[in-house]
Amino acid sequence: DGGITQSPKYLFRKEGQNVTLSCEQNLNHDAMYWYRQDPGQGLRLIYYSQIVNDFQKGDIAEGYSVSREKKESFPLTVTSAQKNPTAFYLCASRPRGGGDTQYFGPGTRLTVL
Amino acid sequence: AQSVTQLDSHVSVSEGTPVLLRCNYSSSYSPSLFWYVQHPNKGLQLLLKYTSAATLVKGINGFEAEFKKSETSFHLTKPSAHMSDAAEYFCVVSEENYGGSQGNLIFGKGTKLSVKP
Repeated sequence: DGGITQSPKYLFRKEGQNVTLSCEQNLNHDAMYWYRQDPGQGLRLIYYSQIVNDFQKGDIAEGYSVSREKKESFPLTVTSAQKNPTAFYLCASRPRGGGDTQYFGPGTRLTVL
Repeated sequence: AQSVTQLDSHVSVSEGTPVLLRCNYSSSYSPSLFWYVQHPNKGLQLLLKYTSAATLVKGINGFEAEFKKSETSFHLTKPSAHMSDAAEYFCVVSEENYGGSQGNLIFGKGTKLSVKP
C-alpha cells in the first residue's frame, strides 16, 4: 500500500530532551512538509523540502530541525530550544506536477513531561 | 498575502439536516482552495479542491463547495448530515506569489462539526 507513515503515534519525553519524529512516504513524492497543530490554531508550517538535500524554514521553525537525505524520509527533530513542544505533529507530501494538493500522514502526538 | 477565515469555530447540527461550514479567503491571485477533514487524532483527508475549472466542486461523502469570487467565499455544504460527519474541517488556500504557486498551503483555524442524533 502506498502512503505516508509517521511513527510513533504517541511519544512522551522529558523536558530538555531532544526527540526525533519519523515521516516516511512511498508515494515517490518530491515535496514533504511538517506541520504543528494546536487546539483552535489550525496547522502551522514548521519546515518543508521541495527536493532531496534541500529544505526551507516555515512560519515556526525555531526550536526544530530537519534533514532530507532520502526522497522517502523527512525526519523532524524537536530540540530542547523549543519552548512549548507538546502538540500534534503532522507530516505531508506532494507530488511534482500534482498541483498544490498535499497528502497527510496520521500524525504523532508529542507530550513533554 | 493570502489568508483564510473560517467564520465558525463550532457548528452543531442534527442528523439528517443540512450542513453549512463557512469560509472566506483573501488572495491577490487565482487561488487553489481546499477543504480537508480531520477525525480525532487522525491525519487530514482531502474532501475537495477548487482550481478554477468549475465554481461548484463536488467532493467525497456528499460534500460540495461553491467558489464565489465576488464574495471571496468557499463555503462547504452537505444536504443531510450523518453521524460519521462529526469531525474538524479545515478551509485551505494555496500560497502564491507573482512567480506562481510554491506548493505551500495556508490553513484556517478549523470548524468543529458536531452531529446530534
